[in-house]
Parts: sequence; structure tokens; C-alpha cells
Amino acid sequence: NAGVTQTPKFQVLKTGQSMTLQCAQDMNHNSMYWYRQDPGMGLRLIYYSASEGTTDKGEVPNGYNVSRLNKREFSLRLESAAPSQTSVYFCASRGLQGSDTEAFFGQGTRLTVV
Amino acid sequence: AQSVTQLDSQVPVFEEAPVELRCNYSSSVSVYLFWYVQYPNQGLQLLLKYLSGSTLVESINGFEAEFNKSQTSFHLRKPSVHISDTAEYFCAVSNFGNEKLTFGTGTRLTIIP
Repeated sequence: NAGVTQTPKFQVLKTGQSMTLQCAQDMNHNSMYWYRQDPGMGLRLIYYSASEGTTDKGEVPNGYNVSRLNKREFSLRLESAAPSQTSVYFCASRGLQGSDTEAFFGQGTRLTVV
Repeated sequence: AQSVTQLDSQVPVFEEAPVELRCNYSSSVSVYLFWYVQYPNQGLQLLLKYLSGSTLVESINGFEAEFNKSQTSFHLRKPSVHISDTAEYFCAVSNFGNEKLTFGTGTRLTIIP
């Protein structure tokens, strides 16, 4: 039972390059999330998905796209990376039934855009 | 809309002293509240959560938090801290039945030997 798995763990991109961050969960959760973490800013929600086939914008969606491929997987795509997107990205999943309401996080992807 | 305020970005505390990390939330409906801990270079782990019922919730490592609806607060406390408590602590809120989960800006707890 791996929980939430993110790949890659580290990535360096040049400005203008594209990449996709992958996330998969094995807890049968309906909801999945992408956050970015920057010093002094806490975790800011980029996009979330309440169920397969649905996605919603969070606080900072500009410059990102997401795909909820199936119940397990939720990917984040940077079409044209910018230095302002240098950050640590966390994927999370969450159930909303009974006491299963907390989010479980992946280990993060440290992205540097040069 | 829901939001979370953690006013203290950094809290230095002597070892074995008590600590309180403050969290205030804003929401027009009933909420779930969470505290997460992040150790250096790691992901976030759940510390404790309030769903309903008793307003005082406890974690296995001595932390506790009290839900105060009138003051819209969910402050985290520990009566005696240890070096191993050095970490960043995040408060989070979610409205009942709503998937959106909003985090505060975090409080970095530093334990002074």
C-alpha cells in the first residue's frame, strides 16, 4: 500500500520547456489535489478534482493544466515553464466518507526552472 | 469562501517549555479542521483533525488542539516540547461536504536546547 506516489522527485527545466508531473494514489479516494509550496506562502492550491472526469481551479491555476486520467491518477502539466514556477509541488488525495476526510500527501517534486 | 490565517510565521521555544501555535479560520458553514506537520525535506503528515463531537482533539505525540467556534480558532498546543518537534506546522480547513482543502501559510517551530 504505497499511498500517494509522485514522479519525478526532482526536475530542472529551461524556460519555455514543458513537462508533466505524475501522481497516483491507491486508497480509492475520489478527491485529488495539486499544491505548490513556496517559502512564506504555505501551500497554495493549483487545481483539484472531486472525481474522475472533473477538475476545478484553485488559487493559482495560471500556467498549469491538469488531467484526471482515472480514479487513481491526476497529472499536472506545465506547457511553457517560467522561473516563477520554480517550487515544490505536492499531490494529495482525500476521501470524504465518515472519518476518512484527511488528505494524504506525496513526497513532493522539487522543480527548478532556469 | 474558506480561508485560514496563521499569524506566526516562526515560533522559537526552549526545550521542555510549552508552546501554542495559532490558527484562525473563516467560513460561513460548518468545517473540518486539520493540523499537518512537515519535517525538513519531507511531505506533510496529519497531526490531528477535528470533524465533530468533542472540541478537544489530541495526537499520539502529545499535541492537542481545541476547536472554538465562537472565536473561529483551532490553536495547537503542547505542554512540553522536544527537539524532535522542530518542523513546520500547517493548519487547514475544509467546509462540510466540500472537496476544497485550504491551508494556512505555516508556522516554523524551532526548539532551542
